Amino acid sequence: DAGITQSPRHKVTETGTPVTLRCHQTENHRYMYWYRQDPGHGLRLIHYSYGVKDTDKGEVSDGYSVSRSKTEDFLLTLESATSSQTSVYFCAISEAGQPQHFGDGTRLSIL
Amino acid sequence: QKEVEQDPGPLSVPEGAIVSLNCTYSNSAFQYFMWYRQYSRKGPELLMYTYSSGNKEDGRFTAQVDKSSKYISLFIRDSQPSDSATYLCAMSRGGNQGGKLIFGQGTELSVKP
Repeated sequence: DAGITQSPRHKVTETGTPVTLRCHQTENHRYMYWYRQDPGHGLRLIHYSYGVKDTDKGEVSDGYSVSRSKTEDFLLTLESATSSQTSVYFCAISEAGQPQHFGDGTRLSIL
Repeated sequence: QKEVEQDPGPLSVPEGAIVSLNCTYSNSAFQYFMWYRQYSRKGPELLMYTYSSGNKEDGRFTAQVDKSSKYISLFIRDSQPSDSATYLCAMSRGGNQGGKLIFGQGTELSVKP
């Protein structure tokens, strides 16, 4: 187990509400990532972080923001959730030049 | 056109069969190649990690990379029912960003006893 905890594991919410997902790691890895997984698309990168307070956009960043105030935590926020953001969200961690290891995901349903 | 193409399957084989899973890609800048296994309602689990072209073997699993053809493969020998899962190929350019991964859409494999 890579020492990654995602919370909550499941969430149902309504369109227009703000949602925050948390990724917590115990490995002290520098890099952290947020992906979403949808049928027919595989996993797509939303945002990633290469250090505390250092973040950058991925392939599908519109509608999402992230924050990393300490090494172990990486937060993903949907400011105003839409039904198109219903998905399974995965957090991953890595060190430079090393492969990524994933958490077990958060299932998010937006009604 | 997607950067990484993977046949979604589903693929069904009898126990003991040799399984071949494949991905093609279009970007010649990819240098790092990975295979992940994902069980239902779980996160992807790293199976194989290779750099550049060549073969890598780990137990019943062999990963092949052919950069000239932009083609990667994962072979599973003596497949077991416990190998039933979705297999995802992934690749990255590497470098200082820790390697932003581009995934194929996954192949669903079922190994029947």
